[in-house]
Amino acid sequence: GAGVSQTPSNKVTEKGKYVELRCDPISGHTALYWYRQSLGQGPEFLIYFQGTGAADDSGLPNDRFFAVRPEGSVSTLKIQRTERGDSAMYLCASSQGRTSGRGNEQFFGPGTRLTVL
Amino acid sequence: GQSLEQPSEVTAVEGAIVQINCTYQTSGFYGLSWYQQHDGGAPTFLSYNALDGLEETGRFSSFLSRSDSYGYLLLQELQMKDSASYFCAVSGRGFQKLVFGTGTRLLVSP
Repeated sequence: GAGVSQTPSNKVTEKGKYVELRCDPISGHTALYWYRQSLGQGPEFLIYFQGTGAADDSGLPNDRFFAVRPEGSVSTLKIQRTERGDSAMYLCASSQGRTSGRGNEQFFGPGTRLTVL
Repeated sequence: GQSLEQPSEVTAVEGAIVQINCTYQTSGFYGLSWYQQHDGGAPTFLSYNALDGLEETGRFSSFLSRSDSYGYLLLQELQMKDSASYFCAVSGRGFQKLVFGTGTRLLVSP
């Protein structure tokens, strides 16, 4: 079946602009996660949805970052007034929360590389 | 806070065995996962330990010692395609987030 997809694959924007990044999770996965990864670092948690609601948004760096998942499937990460420091790979992952031997195995999408000039 | 430490880089030759260590300091620990990420690719799940001991999955094995807050990933019969970054990650119970280490870059040479 289809994996997690993310669009666009690359986004170049100017400082101060608004961007939206989209994630389509694996069908049937109730949990959806956003991470941010800088070069040479591990993915850094941003926010997690269980269904339509944000169950944990403790990783959002500030109020310029916001995410929605209105129908419990597709999610959009929104960044206002972008700054150069926002440049990174934004990864989305989904999970069905199996705990039998594989923990909370998360399936990652290919990411959106955001560059803020 | 939570922190995980891994060696930044490991090199080995084809056919060899390599061990990548991970030490962690975290609250609410439930399990330790390992993910592989090739350059330009997405992280993919390799292994998970919730209990002390060794879990074996083909050429890859993972070990956990909860009392020592320590785990490792063991890769056997190394192949060139194993050249990638490897991340350990801790998680709480259920659907909770993964907290990743900084990653270990494995370089496999002929």
